[in-house]
This record gives sequence, C-alpha cells and structure tokens, in this order.
Amino acid sequence: GQNIDQPTEMTATEGAIVQINCTYQTSGFNGLFWYQQHAGEAPTFLSYNVLDGLEEKGRFSSFLSRSKGYSYLLLKELQMKDSASYLCAVRGDYKLSFGAGTTVTVRA
Amino acid sequence: GAVVSQHPSRVICKSGTSVKIECRSLDFQATTMFWYRQFPKQSLMLMATSNEGSKATYEQGVEKDKFLINHASLTLSTLTVTSAHPEDSSFYICSATGAITDTQYFGPGTRLTVL
Repeated sequence: GQNIDQPTEMTATEGAIVQINCTYQTSGFNGLFWYQQHAGEAPTFLSYNVLDGLEEKGRFSSFLSRSKGYSYLLLKELQMKDSASYLCAVRGDYKLSFGAGTTVTVRA
Repeated sequence: GAVVSQHPSRVICKSGTSVKIECRSLDFQATTMFWYRQFPKQSLMLMATSNEGSKATYEQGVEKDKFLINHASLTLSTLTVTSAHPEDSSFYICSATGAITDTQYFGPGTRLTVL
C-alpha cells in the first residue's frame, strides 16, 4: 500500500521561507512530485524528483532522500499568492498516490 | 508545460440523470489519462486509468458501470457519471501523460452538483 504523510497546515509571513515535509512508504518508487492547488482549482505541477538531492526552480526548491523516504518543498520569498494547498505525490508503477495536502497561509 | 482542458467546468443536474465530462490534451498526445475525484478538503483519489484504445482500469471500490470511461483518441477521454445521485457531487479532475513526458498534467476540473 501507499502511505504519504505531510503536515495539515502551515502559516508564514510574506517574504519568509517555509519548508513543507513529506514522508512516504510506498510499494515501488518512480519519482516524487509536488503540486500546488488553489481552492476550487486543479493542481498545477511544481517539481519532480527521482534522484536524491535538491532541485531548484526559482523561488521553489524540492529535495529528495530515497533511503529515508523523505522529501521537502521549500518556498522562498513568500508572496500572498503562494497561499494554497501543496500536494506531495509519489509515483509507484504508473499511478500517483497523493498525500492529503498541506494548506499554507501567507500573512502580511 | 502541457495543456489539458476539461468541459464543462461546472454542471448541475437532477438525481437520476447522466453527465458526461470531457478531458482533452491540447498540445500533446496523451497515451494515458487519469480520472480523479476530490471531496472538499480532501486529497485527490484516483478513480481510473485509461489508455488510448483500451478499457479503463478502475481502482478498488469504483463502480465501472456507474463511471463509464472512454479514451477513443490520443487527445480525448470522457467520463460519464450514470444515474447520478447527490453523493456523486464532487470535483472531478482528469490528468494526462504522453509518450514524451512522465509528468501528469491536470485539467482545470469539473464541479458536479447533483440535486
């Protein structure tokens, strides 16, 4: 089975940094994805990690440690528009299994 | 990134009627399409996976006779909710992958409300 854990909620101040952790225990691993989802909208792709290490893409970075079953998404220079739910998803064979999502609230 | 569209974005129907939702990949050939359902404040739950020209593979607990999926071309998949009931009210989202990308790109979703 698949077990993907991430915190339910996080709050941070505009301009700050927030790190969203994700731990997983899955049968098979073929990559870990992070998606952003605003309320009432579909998820949008943020990042993909399949090898250990850090992937940086602008203000967003994602890290993976396969041996630890651990990933994090780092959001830098937070903006109000970053308030959203962030979903960690692990691909087994071909399917994605999603965590419950972390709701990030950015305050002025 | 790749573009996936869904139609309609919002639909309200009476209990007992059927509703068809279309999912299209606009700028790539989608060899595989996925259908998800998301209830408020919950994560996405995979309903079924469809490969072009093949029968869909349904997840455990999803009734294949109630949720009919057709993937007749490399750019179009449809989900038909048959004999809809109020408990079927949800946010339905499709995603697609192609031969050149493993990343799933999501459509904008369809909000279904069954009265």
